[in-house]
Amino acid sequence: NAGVTQTPKFRVLKTGQSMTLLCAQDMNHEYMYWYRQDPGMGLRLIHYSVGEGTTAKGEVPDGYNVSRLKKQNFLLGLESAAPSQTSVYFCASSLGLAGAIGYFGPGTRLTVT
Amino acid sequence: TQLLEQSPQFLSIQEGENLTVYCNSSSVFSSLQWYRQEPGEGPVLLVTVVTGGEVKKLKRLTFQFGDARKDSSLHITAAQPGDTGLYLCAGEENSGYALNFGKGTSLLVTP
Repeated sequence: NAGVTQTPKFRVLKTGQSMTLLCAQDMNHEYMYWYRQDPGMGLRLIHYSVGEGTTAKGEVPDGYNVSRLKKQNFLLGLESAAPSQTSVYFCASSLGLAGAIGYFGPGTRLTVT
Repeated sequence: TQLLEQSPQFLSIQEGENLTVYCNSSSVFSSLQWYRQEPGEGPVLLVTVVTGGEVKKLKRLTFQFGDARKDSSLHITAAQPGDTGLYLCAGEENSGYALNFGKGTSLLVTP
């Protein structure tokens, strides 16, 4: 049981490049989330999903897209990276919406130059 | 978006001391969670409180949810270096929207 895994762990992009962050969970959780964490800002919700094939916007969705084609995977895409998207990205999953998000991934550190 | 304020922002203490960190909001939450995050890792859930006035204990950690469900505290007794980390509180809005996180309290416990 690996819990929540994220790939890659680190990435450096140039402004304007695109990339996809992959999150996978093996706990059969319905709900999955993408957060970003910045110094002095805490964790902010980007997008979330309440089940396979569904997605919804969070607090800071601009510049990001997501897809949940399979229940166990939640992808976060950056179509045209900007320096403001330099951050640590965390994926999380839970049994219920909001409630207690019991499982976070280890994070992806992204730098956009 | 509800604002969850955590205090203090930083705390440096010696092993064996007691401490309390606070999480306050002007809004009511249906539940509140506490997490601990170590450098380079994701947050780890410590506890969920759901009832006003509820007190939960986890070894040397005591969590309390305010009677009005707007605030919470975390008390650590006889802190140890292994308690070092970033402590985050997060609240669930009544509407069921995803969690809102505070900015955290960074705790350093030195031997």
